[in-house]
Amino acid sequence: EVQLVESGGGLVQPGGSLRLSCAASGFTFSSYEMNWVRQAPGKGLEWVSYISSSGSTIYYADSVKGRFTISRDNAKNSLYLQMNSLRAEDTAVYYCARRVLPDYWGQGTLVTVSS
Amino acid sequence: QSALTQPASVSGSPGQSITISCTGTSSDVGGYNYVSWYQQHPGKAPKLMIYEVSNRPSGVSNRFSGSKSGNTASLTISGLQAEDEADYYCSSYTSSSTPCVFGTGTKVTVL
Repeated sequence: EVQLVESGGGLVQPGGSLRLSCAASGFTFSSYEMNWVRQAPGKGLEWVSYISSSGSTIYYADSVKGRFTISRDNAKNSLYLQMNSLRAEDTAVYYCARRVLPDYWGQGTLVTVSS
Repeated sequence: QSALTQPASVSGSPGQSITISCTGTSSDVGGYNYVSWYQQHPGKAPKLMIYEVSNRPSGVSNRFSGSKSGNTASLTISGLQAEDEADYYCSSYTSSSTPCVFGTGTKVTVL
C-alpha cells in the first residue's frame, strides 16, 4: 500500500524557516517524481514544487522561488521542503504527492505563519 | 501560469447527472491528454478520480467519467449520491515553466 506521511509543520513567525519531511513507503520511491502541493485555509490547491526521480530536475512556483528548496533522499525514501523567509501567505496545509499529476497524496501538514 | 477555470459550484438532486468543466489553453488542457480529476472532502486529502482525461483508477466508481474537447476537460458524475458532495479539482500538464497546474475548484452540492 502506498503511503506518504508528512511532518514538520507548525507555527512560525514571519521571516522564519521550517523544514517539511515526507516519508514514503509501499512503492519504489527512487523511481517516482514527487511534488509538494499546498492549500491555504478555505482555498484551492496550489502546486508548489517538483523534483524528478533522480533529483536532477527541479521546478518551483513563482510564489516560492528563491525561498523554498525541494530535495530528496532516495536511500531514506524521503522528500523534503526547506522553507525560508516565510510569509503570512505561505500559511497552508502542505501535501506531498507522487507524480507530476498526483496519483497518491499524503494527509498533509499544517504550516501557520503568524506573529 | 494561471489556474485552470472551473465553475465555483454545481448542484444536482440524487440520481441526477452533473458535469464539471475545466477550461485551459492549448498550452495545457488542449495540448496534452494528461488531465486528472480529484475529489476532496472537508479536512481530507485529495483523491484521484480520473487520470489521462478518461481513465478511472481501480476502486473508483464507474459513475465518474472524464472527457475532453479542445481546451476544455469535463468530469461527469452520474447517479449522483450524497457521498459525492465534495470539492473537485482538475489538473493538467503544462508547457509553461511549471509542469503542473490545478483548476480553481468546484463545490458539488447534492440537493
